[in-house]
Order: sequence, then C-alpha cells, then structure tokens
Amino acid sequence: QQQVKQSPQSLIVQKGGISIINCAYENTAFDYFPWYQQFPGKGPALLIAIRPDVSEKKEGRFTISFNKSAKQFSLHIMDSQPGDSATYFCAASKPGGYQKVTFGTGTKLQVIP
Amino acid sequence: GAGVSQSPRYKVAKRGQDVALRCDPISGHVSLFWYQQALGQGPEFLTYFQNEAQLDKSGLPSDRFFAERPEGSVSTLKIQRTQQEDSAVYLCASSLAGVGRIYGYTFGSGTRLTVV
Repeated sequence: QQQVKQSPQSLIVQKGGISIINCAYENTAFDYFPWYQQFPGKGPALLIAIRPDVSEKKEGRFTISFNKSAKQFSLHIMDSQPGDSATYFCAASKPGGYQKVTFGTGTKLQVIP
Repeated sequence: GAGVSQSPRYKVAKRGQDVALRCDPISGHVSLFWYQQALGQGPEFLTYFQNEAQLDKSGLPSDRFFAERPEGSVSTLKIQRTQQEDSAVYLCASSLAGVGRIYGYTFGSGTRLTVV
C-alpha cells in the first residue's frame, strides 16, 4: 500500500532550469511533510519540510508548495545545478507516536550542463 | 563519531545464510530506526528503538528478521535464512528524542545486502 505517491520517476533538467517533483498522499493524519535528498552510496538527508497549515515554504533555491484540499505537495528547485543531481524523496509523518517517516518512491534528478 | 556508521558497507550472502548488520548511531541519540531500501524504491520502515526498547517492529517482513539494541547505543539487524527478496540496502537512522521528524533523522550510508 503506497501511502505517499511520487512522480515523475526520473527527471532531466538543463542547468538553470526549474525542477518540479510532485507527491500525493491519502492519509489525512499526516501532518508533516519533509523532502529528503539522497546521493549515490549515501543515506537520505533532510532538505526541507512543511506543515499543512502553510501553503508554501522557501529555503534558498528550494520551495515546497502544499495543497491541503487536494492532498498534494511539490518540490520546486529553481536555477537547477549539476550538483543537485540526486534522488529526491517526498515523505510524510504523523504526530506523536514514534514519528516514523513514510517515504515516496523517489525521483532521480539529472541536471545537465 | 560525527555521523551514523553502518557496517559492513557491502555483504554478499548465499541463500539460507544468516547475516548481521551493525549500526553505530550518533552518541546520545535516543531514537533509532531501521529502514529497507529496495533498488529504485524509497526506504521502507522496519523497526524503531527508543534507547534499548524496541517500540515498533511492525515493518519487519517476517520472523526471519530480528533487531536488537541491548545497551541503547549500537544496534544489530539480523536476518536468518536469507532469501533473494532480502536483497536491498538496509539503512539505519538516529535522532535525539522527539525531534527527528522535525530536524531530520541522520541516516547512515547503509549496508547493501546481496543474496545469491
């Protein structure tokens, strides 16, 4: 059962372009939505996160847009750079409990010069 | 150490063999998670420890999988009678108590298990 659906599976963007990755969730109990970045041979690392009471959060070139009614959220990477080439995972977690994170299936981003 | 350390980095096991994967979390990190990441997929939750207590093992796929953290620091994930479907990267993550989902968990680089 895929609780967090992510698309596209892979993405090629030219340097300087905008990379957009989309995610959707079903469980309305989720209240925290992080994005993780993973480089080959490394574990995922937290990139940016948002709560559903905010429609947008921006940190540098990275922006999360959140649509609570549609249960969708997306990551925008502005001015994409070759160093951004990595796999990106959207994720979700519920309040309380053990705070485990449920990950999407990942998007492999390649930024070409 | 400065990060989460996992060993071995790579493990090749023959089908039916038992394996043990080790995780050294960041000192002082109370919360410890194990995740399984199949090729081309996102990490999937296996089990959670708070100190030495295993509070959630709902993600362990079968009774061949066993995890422990006897002194609340180092953790070991053991897989008995390995099967080909166990081939994956096993990730360990840790955090201070109660703040992992906010500030992010620190993941290790994982152990890539290949069952032949």
